[in-house]
Amino acid sequence: NAGVTQTPKFQVLKTGQSMTLQCAQDMNHEYMSWYRQDPGMGLRLIHYSVGAGITDQGEVPNGYNVSRSTTEDFPLRLLSAAPSQTSVYFCASSYFLEETQYFGPGTRLLVL
Amino acid sequence: AQTVTQSQPEMSVQEAETVTLSCTYDTSESDYYLFWYKQPPSRQMILVIRQEAYKQQNATENRFSVNFQKAAKSFSLKISDSQLGDAAMYFCAYRSAGGTSGSRLTFGEGTQLTVNP
Repeated sequence: NAGVTQTPKFQVLKTGQSMTLQCAQDMNHEYMSWYRQDPGMGLRLIHYSVGAGITDQGEVPNGYNVSRSTTEDFPLRLLSAAPSQTSVYFCASSYFLEETQYFGPGTRLLVL
Repeated sequence: AQTVTQSQPEMSVQEAETVTLSCTYDTSESDYYLFWYKQPPSRQMILVIRQEAYKQQNATENRFSVNFQKAAKSFSLKISDSQLGDAAMYFCAYRSAGGTSGSRLTFGEGTQLTVNP
């Protein structure tokens, strides 16, 4: 059981570039979500999904796209990176309405 | 919308002493969950303790305990016999108990805990 995995661990982008942050889980969890962590602001929800084919916006969705074609994978796409998207990104998963969410190790993104 | 506030950006404690981290929240819901997460320098988010709002008894996990005051919307974390390994960022988090967005977490700003030897 690998749990929640995220790739890459660290990425540097130039303004305007696009990229996809990968998240996968092998626990058959229905619920998956993406958070970003910024200093002094805790973690904020970007997008979430309650099952394959179903996604919804969180607190800070602008500039990000998601899709959920399988139960296991929930990629986060940055269409045109901006310096304001410099952050640490966490993916999390759980059974729907289960108390405990399992977090991935995070991806540190630097946009120049 | 729910909000979570941690008013102590930084705290420090001597090894073997006790420290309390504060958290307040705002919600109109009656059924929900509260959590404390620990984030060491490795950045991994580690669940420390959780509390169900319908339970009056405060949760305890070894050296970690909470003081849950539902009417005051307060949820503090007490760490007893502090150890060097407790040094980390601590986040308080809220989760609704139901609905389509029931699994989403709302986090506080975090408290950086330093443990002095």
